[in-house]
Formats: sequence, structure tokens, C-alpha cells
Amino acid sequence: GAVVSQHPSRVICKSGTSVKIECRSLDFQATTMFWYRQFPKKSLMLMATSNEGSKATYEQGVEKDKFLINHASLTLSTLTVTSAHPEDSSFYICSARSMEGQDWETQYFGPGTRLLVL
Amino acid sequence: GQNIDQPTEMTATEGAIVQINCTYQTSGFNGLFWYQQHAGEAPTFLSYNVLDGLEEKGRFSSFLSRSKGYSYLLLKELQMKDSASYLCAVRDSNYQLIWGAGTKLIIKP
Repeated sequence: GAVVSQHPSRVICKSGTSVKIECRSLDFQATTMFWYRQFPKKSLMLMATSNEGSKATYEQGVEKDKFLINHASLTLSTLTVTSAHPEDSSFYICSARSMEGQDWETQYFGPGTRLLVL
Repeated sequence: GQNIDQPTEMTATEGAIVQINCTYQTSGFNGLFWYQQHAGEAPTFLSYNVLDGLEEKGRFSSFLSRSKGYSYLLLKELQMKDSASYLCAVRDSNYQLIWGAGTKLIIKP
């Protein structure tokens, strides 16, 4: 099956610093990648949809200047949390949709990145 | 508004059968997905339904009734490793995935 990796898996940072999270599709090309946020015992919350070579589409309420998304290639998307604050602490998960996806379009998820801002 | 409802938590016994229900109200429908998520991990794909009826895949089956806005995930011969959260997600008319809050399934020996 399709494999998506995320790096780092866990990060602790100080308030005010920026953190970059990478999402890679390892064995397929992904025209579209999605970034989710998940609080403990809560559902996935879509933050933004990232299309290769174009600007990301952010969901309502998500600050695009705070959560910078870059999808520079068909296998890599990055999420940068700028000037992180403790309330940004969460589980961030990316998913990728294959170009060769069948019409039911499964999203393949990365393992997630746990961010803790002190 | 768009809404997906599923029970918060369920408990079942190892070796038994459990049915997790999901009801949805969305703007359009382009398929329903079930994902499994173990604590601290990302979701993994279980099943997809776009037509009415039952889709069987090993110990797991998923059912859909579009007229009723209803789906269920059926898990047979439960194993301890099936303890996880099960997420129902519907793809709406904009091809966006709308996620339920998940059902935490606890398996007891």
C-alpha cells in the first residue's frame, strides 16, 4: 500500500519559535496533500488542502500566516507553525491522495507529529 | 450544517461481534469511509461505501443506506488488538471529507 511519512514524529519547542513538519509520500506521487489537527479524544480537523505548485486552501478559522504550507513537489509538503504558542500544542497529521487513485480516492495518512509548545 | 454522529464509546468482549453505527447529514454525498485509529497513531483506512449495501472484507464489514443517511461497521471475532477508535467520514459534494468524532471501542477478555 501507499506509504506516507512525517518528520519529526515528536517535537518540543519554546513559545515563540517556529516548527516545520514534513510530509512525504514515499512510493507514489501526490498532487494533493491534506493537513489535519487533532486534539485528544477529538475528531480530525482539516486545516488546509495543499496542491502541488499552488497556494494551499485553508479552512475557515485557520490562520494562513501562522500555519504556512508549502507543497513544492509531488512527494513533499511542509507545514510550518510560526511563533508557536502553548495552544498550538496538538497532534498534526498529514494525508496524501495519489494521482493514480481510483475513483474512491483513499487518503493515505502519515503517522502524525506530536507538537508540545512550552 | 453538516453533521456526522457516532457513539462515543462502546465495549465488547473478545471473540464477539460489535456493530458501530454512523448517521450523517451532509451537503451531498460522494462516499463514506471507515478508518481505524489506535491511540497516538494516525488513522488507517478500513472500508469505503458509495452504493447501498454491505461490503465485506475479512472480519470487517461496512453497510450503507444512502436514503437513511446511515452506515455501520461490523467487526466479527473481536481481538484485543481491535481496541481502537473507529472514525466515520463522509465525502460531501465538494469532495471534502467530513469526519465524525470517532467511537472508542474497548475490548474486554
